[in-house]
Amino acid sequence: DSGVTQTPKHLITATGQRVTLRCSPRSGDLSVYWYQQSLDQGLQFLIQYYNGEERAKGNILERFSAQQFPDLHSELNLSSLELGDSALYFCASSASGTPDTQYFGPGTRLTVL
Amino acid sequence: AQSVTQLGSHVSVSEGALVLLRCNYSSSVPPYLFWYVQYPNQGLQLLLKYTSAATLVKGINGFEAEFKKSETSFHLTKPSAHMSDAAEYFCAVTARAGGTSYGKLTFGQGTILTVHP
Repeated sequence: DSGVTQTPKHLITATGQRVTLRCSPRSGDLSVYWYQQSLDQGLQFLIQYYNGEERAKGNILERFSAQQFPDLHSELNLSSLELGDSALYFCASSASGTPDTQYFGPGTRLTVL
Repeated sequence: AQSVTQLGSHVSVSEGALVLLRCNYSSSVPPYLFWYVQYPNQGLQLLLKYTSAATLVKGINGFEAEFKKSETSFHLTKPSAHMSDAAEYFCAVTARAGGTSYGKLTFGQGTILTVHP
């Protein structure tokens, strides 16, 4: 158990819909990262937040957005969903924003029908 | 931009045999390097990391990796495979400091390790 929690574990929805994925980092960790894992793209970095502020952005679509709240939990919002958005979404946390060990949550499996 | 190449998407070994999973990186300066393992239906677990101390890094479950700057490699090895080692393994890189790559992990495509009895 990494100490990072993600909810829900599974999510099935239809094209065009909007969903919210939630992540709680390990106690004391200030940095949260979101990654997408799909068969064709592999593991891709989406976005990083550090202590409430956006720190780095990767290949995140404009339809996707994220935020980190004062209690340090984070949410990833995915809208206007397409079939190709079906993937495993991981959240990771680290103590700081520097190249530190990132601890991964169990992931949320999103299926878009 | 940094990148990681894992040679061989599938590796099969017999129980008790040597495990060798290959990883080569591309970076203008020596980066930080990581190996993660993913068991079916689970998240990623850190096996070991290289952050510029000793070039031979020991990790959990008997795994180790050696950073070779001249070869830009960070191969993962284990002397004797166990059935429980069957999983997917990811090599990852991140920048040391500054720049747009700072902090984020760039992953290789993964290597699925199969262990035969």
